[in-house]
Amino acid sequence: NAGVTQTPEFQVLKTGQSMTLQCAQDMNHEYMSWYRQDPGMGLRLIHYSVGAGITDQGEVPNGYNVSRSTTEDFPLRLLSAAPSQTSVYFCASSYDDTSYEQYFGPGTRLTVT
Amino acid sequence: GENVEQHPSTLSVQEGDSAVIKCTYSDSASNYFPWYKQELGKGPQLIIDIRSNVGEKKDQRIAVTLNKTAKHFSLHITETQPEDSAVYFCAATYSSASKIIFGSGTRLSIRP
Repeated sequence: NAGVTQTPEFQVLKTGQSMTLQCAQDMNHEYMSWYRQDPGMGLRLIHYSVGAGITDQGEVPNGYNVSRSTTEDFPLRLLSAAPSQTSVYFCASSYDDTSYEQYFGPGTRLTVT
Repeated sequence: GENVEQHPSTLSVQEGDSAVIKCTYSDSASNYFPWYKQELGKGPQLIIDIRSNVGEKKDQRIAVTLNKTAKHFSLHITETQPEDSAVYFCAATYSSASKIIFGSGTRLSIRP
C-alpha cells in the first residue's frame, strides 16, 4: 500500500492564481481531511469528508473548496491564491470518522507571492 | 470549543536523558489523546495514544500519562536517541476525527 499520497510536493503561485492540490489514499478509508500547518499554530482543519459525496467545513475553510467523487481521492482547490495561504498542506485519512488514528500524507509546501 | 496548549515549544536534551512534553486541554468531554511525531519534510505519524479511562500507557521508551482532574497529559521519552529529534504534537478530541484539536508542537533536539 502507498498509504496517503499528495502532489505536488512544492508549488509557487502568484496572488490570484488558482490550483488544485491532489490527495489519494489506497486504504479504502471513508474519512479524509485537509489540514494546513503554520509555524507555532499546529495543524488546523480546512475541510473534511466522511465518505464519497459528503464534505464539510473545518476550522479554516475560507478560500478553499473540496469535492469527494470517489473514496480514494480528495482534492483541495485554492480559488484565488493569497499570500496568507502560504503554508504546508497535509491530507489525512482514517477508517471512518470515529476511528481516531489518522494517516497523514507527506505534505505540499505552497508559497504564494 | 476545545483548546489544547502545548509546552515547551522547543526542547533540547542530552542524548540518553529523558524528555517530557506537556499539554493541557479545556473540554472535559475529551476522551482521546494522541501524540504525533513529525520528522523533517514528512507528515505527522501517530506514535502513541491514550483514552480517558486509562491513566498511563507505555510503549518501549515512550509513555503517556493522563490526569483527567487537572485536564493535562504528558509525553515521556526515556533514553533519548538522535532519531528522536523531531516535532511532536499532542491532540485531543471527544467525538470524532473531525473534532481533533492539535497543540502547537514541540521541536525536540537531541544533543550528541
